Amino acid sequence: QVQLAESGGGVVQPGRSLRLSCAASGFTFNTYVVHWVRQAPGKGLEWVAVISYDGSREYYGDSVKGRFTISRDNSKNTLYLQMNSLRVEDTAVYYCARDRGKPRGVLDYWGQGTLVTVSA
Amino acid sequence: SYELTQPPSVSVSPGQTAFFTCSADKLGDKYSSWYQQKPGQSPVLVIYQDSQRPSGIPERFSGSNSGNTATLTISGTQAMDEADYYCQAWDSTNVIFGGGTRLTVL
Repeated sequence: QVQLAESGGGVVQPGRSLRLSCAASGFTFNTYVVHWVRQAPGKGLEWVAVISYDGSREYYGDSVKGRFTISRDNSKNTLYLQMNSLRVEDTAVYYCARDRGKPRGVLDYWGQGTLVTVSA
Repeated sequence: SYELTQPPSVSVSPGQTAFFTCSADKLGDKYSSWYQQKPGQSPVLVIYQDSQRPSGIPERFSGSNSGNTATLTISGTQAMDEADYYCQAWDSTNVIFGGGTRLTVL
């Protein structure tokens, strides 16, 4: 069965960095596009970033562009999100999600999420 | 930037039909998806490609998309359907979510 498991969340001060991981299993990871999506406390879903199956293309939401970097290691079936220059408004549960592929942009499996709290 | 607009809340009695709308310019030219999120849980895909149900999603969930509006319909709403519902579209390289609609089953 498809499983996605995020890790790496925690409490961090504004301006610092944090790296999230998402371990994938139950499917051929290197053939799927994957996304990061976040949800601030009590708020809606916000798309963060997407990476192509081979890591050659990345796209970001406007609020994280230039600060966050999505990457993947297909040999480890793992997705990453490097978050730099963190702000209080980056506080959220971060989910990784698989793109169904046909059509593009449908997120058919989600992880359980990892909470990132940015606070002084 | 492209924005999807959803009403903040919908209320129905058990057994009634719940309608959720999602509006944006020429949304019918894109594929829409819908996600259900219950408190403390991860989102679950309930409709994709406007009207397709993933495996395991009950037949009472259906969808349509035309013009500027996508619609999610829950027929014979049950108490277990109480949740937040998000519409979503794909804009060439970006995923866009609506603000979400909270369903209350009275």
